[in-house]
Amino acid sequence: DTEVTQTPKHLVMGMTNKKSLKCEQHMGHRAMYWYKQKAKKPPELMFVYSYEKLSINESVPSRFSPECPNSSLLNLHLHALQPEDSALYLCASSQEIRSPLHFGNGTRLTVT
Amino acid sequence: GESVGLHLPTLSVQEGDNSIINCAYSNSASDYFIWYKQESGKGPQFIIDIRSNMDKRQGQRVTVLLNKTVKHLSLQIAATQPGDSAVYFCAENPAGVKAAGNKLTFGGGTRVLVKP
Repeated sequence: DTEVTQTPKHLVMGMTNKKSLKCEQHMGHRAMYWYKQKAKKPPELMFVYSYEKLSINESVPSRFSPECPNSSLLNLHLHALQPEDSALYLCASSQEIRSPLHFGNGTRLTVT
Repeated sequence: GESVGLHLPTLSVQEGDNSIINCAYSNSASDYFIWYKQESGKGPQFIIDIRSNMDKRQGQRVTVLLNKTVKHLSLQIAATQPGDSAVYFCAENPAGVKAAGNKLTFGGGTRVLVKP
């Protein structure tokens, strides 16, 4: 079992829907991350939060909106997505810079 | 043996043999490297890491080698077991990233298939 919990495990949404992905960790880590992974590809960094502030945005379209309500929670709000946004969305956390990322098992998103 | 094509490179290994997975990284400024294992339906799982001031690090049944001269990283798995079947990714973190948090970039991945 992973110490980073992501919900839901699966999500199907239409292009006009608004939905949110949730991520929670209780390891006291102060950095949290969103990655996107397409089939047979490596994870690609989307956002980094450090001490609850957005520190890195890898030029992600505005239809993806991250939020960090507190040090244990990370959300990804989705609106007006496209079918090509279908992917596995992975959340991760790390204790500090230059320390390993701990990943959750992801949310499998399908946009119809 | 290894095969490279439109799919993930695949390494087929006999149970009990040693496995060697290779990775060429791109950024000469990277100073921190991690190997991850990803099983089907799961997120990447940390295996071992190494910093650029080292050229070798050992864990339980795993060894990571770093050759900065040719920008090459390898993961050696001793006595490979069926549970080692997975996709393995190397990841690099560039030095001098001023923003707090890792900016890990993942390599393309290698699928390891363990034959009984």
